[in-house]
Formats: sequence, structure tokens, C-alpha cells
Amino acid sequence: QVQLQESGPGLVKPSQTLSLTCTVSGVSISTGGNYWSWIRQHPEKGLEWIAYISYSGSATYNPSLKSRVTMSVDTSKNQFSLKLSSVTAADTAVYYCARYATNSPPYYFDFWGRGTLVTVSS
Amino acid sequence: EIVLTQSPAILSLSPGERASLSCRASQSVAYYLAWYQQKPGQAPRLLIYDASNRATGIPARFSGSGSGTDFTLTISSLEPEDFAVYYCQQRSDWPPYTFGQGTKLEIK
Repeated sequence: QVQLQESGPGLVKPSQTLSLTCTVSGVSISTGGNYWSWIRQHPEKGLEWIAYISYSGSATYNPSLKSRVTMSVDTSKNQFSLKLSSVTAADTAVYYCARYATNSPPYYFDFWGRGTLVTVSS
Repeated sequence: EIVLTQSPAILSLSPGERASLSCRASQSVAYYLAWYQQKPGQAPRLLIYDASNRATGIPARFSGSGSGTDFTLTISSLEPEDFAVYYCQQRSDWPPYTFGQGTKLEIK
């Protein structure tokens, strides 16, 4: 069974960089066809896709966040990471990591982590 | 960016009743639409993919229909555990992948 677990600081100061890591178990992150994603949910609001990355390091970003987002992957640790720079209170949200499979159905976000709340505040 | 509009925002029904949730896209997404269920404090769970296919382990009372710009998630007979928030999501035109704003299904 594929499992994902987010980790990182729960509190970040305004203008600083938010850094999160997702640890994957049950499947090798190097398995082709999988894209490893970050999705966030503002308090009591809907879902916003941030970005995803392949095992080779090829990343695709949401244009609305692209200038501030960087993703990376560490295949040796079966982890991938998110960095979001110059954060403001508007970046306060629950951040989820998820798998997006492209080589077989369902071709959507089929496995998710439990999410981690990141609050931006001084 | 494709905008997905869900209606109603809140749907109040009783267990055993039939639920119909709507998702409308700002432009055609063909059949590239999914539905997710989210319960408080949990991550979303994939229910339906490509408009009408149930994901692994999803009960048969959940069904999806539609194509183009209009989609419906139907729950044939509501169970107590079905009361949650439901989101639609498109993969037709990206980036970005986009989600609807959600429909809250609450107990009447």
C-alpha cells in the first residue's frame, strides 16, 4: 500500500521560506509514470494544486505560484520536497503531498498524505 | 485556467435519500474529471475518475456521469458515512490542475 507522510515546520515567519518534505513508502519514488505532488487547502476553503515532480527531477508548477516554488526529489531517501519562498499569511494552509499516476488508471491524485498545517505568522 | 463551479454549496439530505451533486466546467474537459470525498481532518479520497469510473474500493452506490462541461456525482442511497465535502477536479488542461470549491453534504 502506498503511503505518504508530510513533515516540516508548522510555523513560518512572513517573508521566509516554507520547506516541507514528503516521505513515500510502499512504492519506489523512482517508479516510472508517477508524479509526486503538493496540494494545499486554505482554512475552510477548497484545494489548490501547487506542483509536481517526476523521479528524474522534471517539475511542473502552478503558474500562479511558479515564481516562488521549487520542488526537488531525493530517490535515495524516497522523498520529495517543496520550498515556497517569500511567504505571507495567505500561504497559511494545510499542505498535502499526493501521488499522481500517469501510466495506469486512475490518472488522478490517488494516494495522499494526512496533511500538515503550516501557519505563517510572526 | 479552467474554473470548476460546484452546486449546490450545501446539500441537506437524510440517510437513505438520493444525492445529486453538480460540477460545471468553464470550458470542455471532455471526460477528464474526477470526484473526491473529504471528511473533517482527513485528506481527500478519490471516488470517481474520468467522469464515470469508480476508484478501487469505492461502493457501487457512488456513480458519476457527464462529459464536456456538465458532470454529476450521484449517491443512490445515502449512508451515514457519506456526509462529507465533495470536490471535483479536472485534468484536461494543465497546468494548473484545478478543483471545484466543494459541495458540503450534510445530514438534514
